[in-house]
Amino acid sequence: DAKTTQPPSMDCAEGRAANLPCNHSTISGNEYVYWYRQIHSQGPQYIIHGLKNNETNEMASLIITEDRKSSTLILPHATLRDTAVYYCIVRSPGGGSNYKLTFGKGTLLTVNP
Amino acid sequence: ETGVTQSPTHLIKTRGQQVTLRCSSQSGHNTVSWYQQALGQGPQFIFQYYREEENGRGNFPPRFSGLQFPNYSSELNVNALELDDSALYLCASSTLNDYGYTFGSGTRLTVV
Repeated sequence: DAKTTQPPSMDCAEGRAANLPCNHSTISGNEYVYWYRQIHSQGPQYIIHGLKNNETNEMASLIITEDRKSSTLILPHATLRDTAVYYCIVRSPGGGSNYKLTFGKGTLLTVNP
Repeated sequence: ETGVTQSPTHLIKTRGQQVTLRCSSQSGHNTVSWYQQALGQGPQFIFQYYREEENGRGNFPPRFSGLQFPNYSSELNVNALELDDSALYLCASSTLNDYGYTFGSGTRLTVV
């Protein structure tokens, strides 16, 4: 699986959009970009994933650049409960030996009142 | 729909002892993975079970072993505990070709 690079920490004001970047310059054609987050002392929570098109769900939007070498997770209206470590993960589609998630250290997003 | 449940939530063991951690998968999920998360680090993949067989393993020694039962629940066993085994142990379930994993809240193991 391709390696990802994320800033170690970011701050965001409550109610504003939080934009979390991720670099994955060695991503392969069939690899998806996943985002998970982990609130202190809980298990990671799936947020969103995408291949090459931008994706949106009830939690967030995922913007993937045309060359797929980087992406941005957008939380449109951050709340204090969004304070967490956010992990960007690149992996091949599920099934067979493509089973594991390779976590880095992620980005600690702190939402301030 | 129930999520992934893990037990116990906290555990203290002495170096050299053995420990068993338990995980109940989310309803409809047939694949279970285990992860170890040391303080300040991201989770590290231990192994995955599908149809009661291990079908993938990370860089962990054989004293880390597991089981999956017909109801898709799972156990993680660690023998000869070492101080460095102190960590949060996470269980995640999915269907084999699913794109998203559902994680439990973990078991905090402290080895003294």
